Amino acid sequence: DAGITQSPRHKVTETGTPVTLRCHQTENHRYMYWYRQDPGHGLRLIHYSYGVKDTDKGEVSDGYSVSRSKTEDFLLTLESATSSQTSVYFCAISEPTSGTYEQYFGPGTRLTVT
Amino acid sequence: GESVGLHLPTLSVQEGDNSIINCAYSNSASDYFIWYKQESGKGPQFIIDIRSNMDKRQGQRVTVLLNKTVKHLSLQIAATQPGDSAVYFCAENNGNTPLVFGKGTRLSVIA
Repeated sequence: DAGITQSPRHKVTETGTPVTLRCHQTENHRYMYWYRQDPGHGLRLIHYSYGVKDTDKGEVSDGYSVSRSKTEDFLLTLESATSSQTSVYFCAISEPTSGTYEQYFGPGTRLTVT
Repeated sequence: GESVGLHLPTLSVQEGDNSIINCAYSNSASDYFIWYKQESGKGPQFIIDIRSNMDKRQGQRVTVLLNKTVKHLSLQIAATQPGDSAVYFCAENNGNTPLVFGKGTRLSVIA
């Protein structure tokens, strides 16, 4: 998976609790992304980062925050998890200077909010 | 994982036949397109890409066709094999924004 790891791979949590998902890359790519994937919706962008401390919102950013203090790590935080945030979360990376806009994906984190 | 496939359009193909998966894109300003394959329980994997200055590109057993007039993209898989069974996504962008993904098509190969 192009040097991308996600942790944890599976998590079950209760409504109202905070949750942080971690994405770690060893490719030194500048861009990192968080998506969620749900039946009938495909991949939807939550937030993305175009450099250390530089982030922007995607189409479904409400209820999520992100941080990127190092090139290799991109954290996704659910401040107070809700059942609607039960989903599979994918991290992706890309490097525009490579000449393509291809994004490489991690293995995913399955989150269940009860 | 397995829940990804719910509610998706499905294409069933006999092993050895050719598969054609279609995608309509929305943004006429998009100039880069990618096809991804996602197997159950895994993240999407790159198959092939094409820029808007081309209308056809070939890879190993795969061909992508781009029709900008009707904003249509297709993925052709030759001699489909059981290992090709997966969900296939198209994605588009114009270089200034992250990729925008389609909802996907499930390809089911009948042995």
